Amino acid sequence: AQSVTQLDSQVPVFEEAPVELRCNYSSSVSVYLFWYVQYPNQGLQLLLKYLSGSTLVKGINGFEAEFNKSQTSFHLRKPSVHISDTAEYFCAVSDRRGNSGGSNYKLTFGKGTLLTVNP
Amino acid sequence: GAVVSQHPSWVICKSGTSVKIECRSLDFQATTMFWYRQFPKQSLMLMATSNEGSKATYEQGVEKDKFLINHASLTLSTLTVTSAHPEDSSFYICSAAGLAGITQYFGPGTRLTVL
Repeated sequence: AQSVTQLDSQVPVFEEAPVELRCNYSSSVSVYLFWYVQYPNQGLQLLLKYLSGSTLVKGINGFEAEFNKSQTSFHLRKPSVHISDTAEYFCAVSDRRGNSGGSNYKLTFGKGTLLTVNP
Repeated sequence: GAVVSQHPSWVICKSGTSVKIECRSLDFQATTMFWYRQFPKQSLMLMATSNEGSKATYEQGVEKDKFLINHASLTLSTLTVTSAHPEDSSFYICSAAGLAGITQYFGPGTRLTVL
């Protein structure tokens, strides 16, 4: 079984400041890692994902995340935020074994972090 | 690419009626589709997983006779909420995964209100 912990339920920041949204996971197997963003009353949009290769992953809208296997973390960062980045951010993991592990690559989500960017 | 649509975006119905929600992958073939439910200010709760041409697999605690899922083609899955009651009011979101199945792309969601 997997679990995802997003350590901060809310993160308020000022415009143009840097931000880090924290995500830790636990799993008995290797995982794929994802960050999604949800704007009010909308579905989820994929920001970035780590499947393999370089542990530093760059996504859309200037976001990036770093996979740290030893710390089982996948923190999301942006060097300078905009008002339009205000949204709910979800970290998620899926079992690498996918269908062979019977999971169909099901996602386990964290509880979300509300990023509020103030002028 | 990887666009998923849902219809309707919102629906209001009377208690006891049934409501069908469609989920379509517009520019790719989705071998697997997922249905989620989201309560206000909460994370997504997976309801069921469906593979094209197969019966859906429901998560524990989800009534399969109440939430009927059909995945008849590689681009369309439907969720029918049968005999809806006010407690079924929620935000329903679908996602679709391509051939590799690893990455899920989400629809915009459907807001269901049962009066």
